[in-house]
Amino acid sequence: QQQVKQSPQSLIVQKGGISIINCAYENTAFDYFPWYQQFPGKGPALLIAIRPDVSEKKEGRFTISFNKSAKQFSLHIMDSQPGDSATYFCAEGGSQGNLIFGKGTKLSVKP
Amino acid sequence: EPEVTQTPSHQVTQMGQEVILRCVPISNHLYFYWYRQILGQKVEFLVSFYNNEISEKSEIFDDQFSVERPDGSNFTLKIRSTKLEDSAMYFCASSESGHNEKLFFGSGTQLSVL
Repeated sequence: QQQVKQSPQSLIVQKGGISIINCAYENTAFDYFPWYQQFPGKGPALLIAIRPDVSEKKEGRFTISFNKSAKQFSLHIMDSQPGDSATYFCAEGGSQGNLIFGKGTKLSVKP
Repeated sequence: EPEVTQTPSHQVTQMGQEVILRCVPISNHLYFYWYRQILGQKVEFLVSFYNNEISEKSEIFDDQFSVERPDGSNFTLKIRSTKLEDSAMYFCASSESGHNEKLFFGSGTQLSVL
């Protein structure tokens, strides 16, 4: 079964620090790698996504770094804020929109 | 921002009963999905639906599951005979186009099978 391996499982960061979450994928046929943010009691919400033709994508404080040769991608949250405290899921996208999610990282940003 | 709405937010049922989970996707979206999330675990794909037919389904989506778009706005997931292991949060999602454009997820229906 195809997997996306996500680490760490949980992360505690001080306010203003950098949060880094990593994912490794297996299927090189996929060409869409999103990160979703989920708050308790809510559905996942798309945060940022990348396709493998670029190595980095930045949107505000959120950056995806993509390493095609290593089959890894990571999410960096700069200047982390308490409001960023949530569970983050990486995913890889199939051709029909079926996303394969990682197991999630619970981020806590301490004030 | 437009949103996907799901009803009910919580559903409790007895094992062996049929349940129908309802979703109203965003109005101009053409692709519809169901995912589920067992407590504390990852979000898992169940089925995708386009042009009134299933596009793709996972191995979880067995004969006990079915989907339907009964009218122009609703999208439903039916579980014919619920099992204890069907207890999970079920998320409906929609997208304007397929090929992994942005998926909008609803807030989910928490299904508890007793």
